[in-house]
Amino acid sequence: QVHLVESGGGVVQPERSLRLSCAASGFTFSTYALHWVRQAPGKGLEWVALISYDGTNKYYADSVKGRFTISRDNSKNTLFLQMNSLRLEDTAVYYCARGGHFVEAKAVDYWGQGAMVTVSS
Amino acid sequence: QSALTQPASVSGSPGQSITISCTGTSSDVGGYNFVSWYQQYSGKAPKLIIYNVSSRPSGVSNRFSGSKSGNTASLTISGLQAEDEADYYCSSYTTSSARLFGTGTKVTVL
Repeated sequence: QVHLVESGGGVVQPERSLRLSCAASGFTFSTYALHWVRQAPGKGLEWVALISYDGTNKYYADSVKGRFTISRDNSKNTLFLQMNSLRLEDTAVYYCARGGHFVEAKAVDYWGQGAMVTVSS
Repeated sequence: QSALTQPASVSGSPGQSITISCTGTSSDVGGYNFVSWYQQYSGKAPKLIIYNVSSRPSGVSNRFSGSKSGNTASLTISGLQAEDEADYYCSSYTTSSARLFGTGTKVTVL
C-alpha cells in the first residue's frame, strides 16, 4: 500500500535552513504529483508547494515563495523540501502528500505522518 | 491566497445529518470540480473522504456525501456517529495551480 515517510524535522533558529525528505513506497512514484502541506500547532491545514510528476512544474504558496524549494528524485522515490530563511511562523508539522496521477489538479489522496519543524531562537 | 471559509464548528446528535459549507470564489471552488474533503482526528494525518466534489474513495462510508453550488461546496454527514467527531477540511484547486484549504470545521457529536 501507499507509504510516505517524512524525515529531517527538528528545531532550528530563525533565518537558518532545514531540508525535509519524504521517502515513498507502494506506488509508481514517478507518475504522481506530490505536495507539501503544513499545520501549525492548533491551527488548520496550509498548502505549501506542489511538484509535477516529472519535476517540470513547481508551485508555491505566497507565504513561502522565494524561501522554500520543492524537488524530487524519481530514481530514489524521494521528495524534498528545502526551507531557507526560516521564520517563527514556519513552525508546523509538515506533511508529504500524494497528488494526482499525471494530472496536477487532482486531489491529495494519501498523506505521510508528518515531520515537526520548530523555528525558535 | 486566502483560505476557503468554513464554519468553525458544527454539532449534531447521533443519527442526525449535518452539513458543512466551504465558500470560495470563482477562481477556486466555483471554477473547478476539483473540490475535496478531509477528515482529521487529533494528532493524526488527514484522510481523504471526498474528491472531485462528490466522489468517495474506496472504503469511505456512504454516509459522507459532497455537492457544490456556485462558489460554495458542502459536505453532508448522514446518520451521525460518535466516530465522526473530528476536524473536517475542504480543499480546492485554483487558477494559479495552487491549492487552498478551508479554515476547518470541528464536528461534535452530542
